[in-house]
Amino acid sequence: SQTIHQWPATLVQPVGSPLSLECTVEGTSNPNLYWYRQAAGRGLQLLFYSVGIGQISSEVPQNLSASRPQDRQFILSSKKLLLSDSGFYLCAWSPGLGYEQFFGPGTRLTVL
Amino acid sequence: QKEVEQNSGPLSVPEGAIASLNCTYSDRGSQSFFWYRQYSGKSPELIMFIYSNGDKEDGRFTAQLNKASQYVSLLIRDSQPSDSATYLCAVNTGFQKLVFGTGTRLLVSP
Repeated sequence: SQTIHQWPATLVQPVGSPLSLECTVEGTSNPNLYWYRQAAGRGLQLLFYSVGIGQISSEVPQNLSASRPQDRQFILSSKKLLLSDSGFYLCAWSPGLGYEQFFGPGTRLTVL
Repeated sequence: QKEVEQNSGPLSVPEGAIASLNCTYSDRGSQSFFWYRQYSGKSPELIMFIYSNGDKEDGRFTAQLNKASQYVSLLIRDSQPSDSATYLCAVNTGFQKLVFGTGTRLLVSP
């Protein structure tokens, strides 16, 4: 069966510091991968998605970036965090675009 | 108009009752529809999906789709306190990505 991992689970970072969140999927090959952010009491905002290694589509212009160095690895990064970057970051995978998505456990980021 | 709309709730039902959660969408080209449950502080988990008009049942859950009226609903029979959560509707709008509603909070009282 497929499993999706995210780490760290929680993170507290000062404004202006860098960020690296990692997501890995097991049990499947060539998954579509997604990064979402969910602010407190808000809906899911799609940040990036990827259909293959090195292929990244950005949905919202911001100070975040994503990379997919391996088939089942998806990384979310920032060079300088803003207060507004606080939120619950969710990685998800799907067997194809438009199909059901399965979410990882999430990373709760607080920027102070 | 938002692409996917849900009443934020909370929807309060007594234990054992039927909970009815509704979702409307704006894009007539939408092809597939998903319901997720999200407990407080946790990530969303897929409950079920539906592609065709009509009803689809899975245990205590029934998804209903009406493409002509552009709405999809989720019925939860014999509601339990453990069903208390936020329910997210997601729609494949035809651009090959899922668009999520902001969710309806369900409270089931013992």
